[in-house]
Amino acid sequence: EDKVVQSPLSLVVHEGDTVTLNCSYEVTNFRSLLWYKQEKKAPTFLFMLTSSGIEKKSGRLSSILDKKELFSILNITATQTGDSAVYLCAPTFYTDKLIFGTGTRLQVFP
Amino acid sequence: DGGITQSPKYLFRKEGQNVTLSCEQNLNHDAMYWYRQDPGQGLRLIYYSQIVNDFQKGDIAEGYSVSREKKESFPLTVTSAQKNPTAFYLCASRRTGSEQPQHFGDGTRLSIL
Repeated sequence: EDKVVQSPLSLVVHEGDTVTLNCSYEVTNFRSLLWYKQEKKAPTFLFMLTSSGIEKKSGRLSSILDKKELFSILNITATQTGDSAVYLCAPTFYTDKLIFGTGTRLQVFP
Repeated sequence: DGGITQSPKYLFRKEGQNVTLSCEQNLNHDAMYWYRQDPGQGLRLIYYSQIVNDFQKGDIAEGYSVSREKKESFPLTVTSAQKNPTAFYLCASRRTGSEQPQHFGDGTRLSIL
């Protein structure tokens, strides 16, 4: 059975802190891994990772994939209150199936 | 503007009723998906469809049904067999055969009266 686990489930930090969110997966026919941010309604796309060891960066956010150890991390530096959201990771498959992890709820306080 | 439209935004159901949630996209995407999200949880896959007139069950298909008669449309019916239907339902679409992420609609919140 395909499985995706995110940790921690919940995180509370102060503005300016750096956070690391984890995503581990056990799936067959793995193709790539996606990260999304969900604030109130629809998740918004952050990153797509297809190759191991290559960091993707967007402003204060960065992410990397390890296909040997089957995990990915999402880093957010100098957090802001606007980073408060649920962060979701999702492995994709060559069958076009896409499943999501449990999500990490991040709360950033001023 | 291209996008995914889900309707209605809020839906109330009486016990024993079937209800249908609408999802329409004008992105010309082949694949469409339905997810269920419970409070404080991630998204769980109900059904997905890679092509018109074909669809596959996800992890929690029991009590739900779908159809894909047109490329643009992928309605989800929550049947009376679904005993705990109160949740947030998200529809998504994606271009197949490419390294492209999913696009999401704004969701439908379904509640039991």
